[in-house]
This record gives sequence, C-alpha cells and structure tokens, in this order.
Amino acid sequence: AQSVTQLDSQVPVFEEAPVELRCNYSSSVSVYLFWYVQYPNQGLQLLLKYLSGSTLVESINGFEAEFNKSQTSFHLRKPSVHISDTAEYFCAVTKGGKLIFGQGTELSVKP
Amino acid sequence: EPEVTQTPSHQVTQMGQEVILRCVPISNHLYFYWYRQILGQKVEFLVSFYNNEISEKSEIFDDQFSVERPDGSNFTLKIRSTKLEDSAMYFCASSEFAGTGLYEQYFGPGTRLTVT
Repeated sequence: AQSVTQLDSQVPVFEEAPVELRCNYSSSVSVYLFWYVQYPNQGLQLLLKYLSGSTLVESINGFEAEFNKSQTSFHLRKPSVHISDTAEYFCAVTKGGKLIFGQGTELSVKP
Repeated sequence: EPEVTQTPSHQVTQMGQEVILRCVPISNHLYFYWYRQILGQKVEFLVSFYNNEISEKSEIFDDQFSVERPDGSNFTLKIRSTKLEDSAMYFCASSEFAGTGLYEQYFGPGTRLTVT
C-alpha cells in the first residue's frame, strides 16, 4: 500500500530565509509525486509534480522538489521565501487516479 | 482560467439529516473525485467517478454516501444520515483523465460540513 509522511506539521521561517518541507513516501511500485499548496480559504492547487525524467522539478514561483528514489523522498525547497508563501503544503502520491496525501505542513513566513 | 466550484461553502446540519454537497467540475473534464479532510487530519480520498459510475471508493465511502452526476455540469455527494464524525471539509476535484496520473486533478475550494 502507498503512504506519504510529511515529517513537519509546522515550519515557521523568516522572510527571505531558505526552507525545506520534507516528504517521504512508501510504495512497492513506481509512483507519481506531487506537491499541492492550499492558501487560506482556498482549494488545493498543484505546485509541482514528478512523473519521470529529471529528478529535479521546479514550479513557476521558485519552489523545487527533488525525487530521491533510494531515500523514497520528495522534499520541497525554496531558497528565499516570501510572506505570500504562507500556506499549507501537501505532498501526495498516485498510481492510477486517486491521490494519497500526507498530513500537510503549515509554512508560516514571518517578516 | 476554468475552475472547480463548490456550494455551499459552509453547511451546518443536525445529526441524522441528509446533506447534498454540490460541485461543478471543469467542463471538459471526465473524471471526478471527492476527498475530505477532518480538522487536523490529512486529506483522504473518498470516491472517483467516471462515465456515470463509481471507478473506485475508499472504505470510508459506505452505504451512507452516494454520488451522482444529475446533469451535464453538476457532481454531487450525498450523505443520507449524517453523523458527528462526518464533520469535515469536503473537496471536489476533476481531471481530464486518470489512470496514469499524468493529468492534474483540479480542486474546488471545499465545503465545510458541520454536524451538530
């Protein structure tokens, strides 16, 4: 069975600091990996995804995630965060249709 | 940009009552999903729907739950007799295709269901 673990429930950081949100998955088969972001009072939005190919994937707003098969991880990073990055971030896996989510990490960026 | 919409944004109901949560998926999408998130817990898959029938359902999706696409635009989740533990945020999602996971699921803003 597939499962996703997000190791940090809350991550407070100061503006312009780097951040890493950790995600580990378990699966006996190849999976597709996603990061979704949920801004306050909004739905889930896809931030980035890994399907195949290059293990480093990037989003348009400066986030990146690296698929590490040996460590079964898909950590999300940003070298310099903004106040507007404050949101909840969900890691997810899928193998055919349904998404399986981690518990979520609340990123709080302080001035 | 097309988006998934959900109504109502917040629903309060008494235990034992029936509720219907409504969703309008993106118009050219073929696959539809419901997920829920109990406060403080992870987002959980409930059901997927394609070609007017359920493709997959989780163990949460028991006989108290049903889904329907009553017309060409709406996708509904019905809970026949609500329980306190049904209180959660319910998310609708849609995608062009499923199977390989290559197609993104687009989520609505959610309906917060409160059962008293």
